Amino acid sequence: AQSVSQHNHHVILSEAASLELGCNYSYGGTVNLFWYVQYPGQHLQLLLKYFSGDPLVKGIKGFEAEFIKSKFSFNLRKPSVQWSDTAEYFCAVRSYNQGGKLIFGQGTELSVKP
Amino acid sequence: EPEVTQTPSHQVTQMGQEVILRCVPISNHLYFYWYRQILGQKVEFLVSFYNNEISEKSEIFDDQFSVERPDGSNFTLKIRSTKLEDSAMYFCASSEVMGQGKKNIQYFGAGTRLSVL
Repeated sequence: AQSVSQHNHHVILSEAASLELGCNYSYGGTVNLFWYVQYPGQHLQLLLKYFSGDPLVKGIKGFEAEFIKSKFSFNLRKPSVQWSDTAEYFCAVRSYNQGGKLIFGQGTELSVKP
Repeated sequence: EPEVTQTPSHQVTQMGQEVILRCVPISNHLYFYWYRQILGQKVEFLVSFYNNEISEKSEIFDDQFSVERPDGSNFTLKIRSTKLEDSAMYFCASSEVMGQGKKNIQYFGAGTRLSVL
């Protein structure tokens, strides 16, 4: 069955540190890839997405992610985190032959210390 | 940015009771979804809905669950007889299209936390 793995359950960083959150998926076909963020008490918000083309995608708030097809990975990065990036981050995958549903990873909680 | 609205934010119920979770999708969206997240676990797909019909449902979405679009704006998830294991955060989402097009972006609500006692 298709699955998504996020390797880090909880990441603690100081402000200005660089961030990389891992995401791997298990499906071999064509996929769409997403990162969502949930700030405390708020809705899941789309950070960035990959459908096709340039495997390096840029999203909101300085985040970017790189799709590496050979590694089935879609890691999220930010060069310098801020306290306001404290949130939970979810990687999600949609495969071409499985309708519209998203398959989520378990989420990574990011805590940024001021 | 348009938002998906969910009410209530927290619902407490007794085991065996019926609950209805409500969602107002983004106004021009045609596809609607429910997901849930049990504490400490992954966000899981429950059901997708289009044109007053279920498009797809997961194994979780058994006969205890139903969805409805009772009017032009609301999209509801009903659990007929709640169990302890139904305690979770329930997320509603909507999208303009379905399938693999670039407009198929799912926008999520803030969730309803259901606590079954």
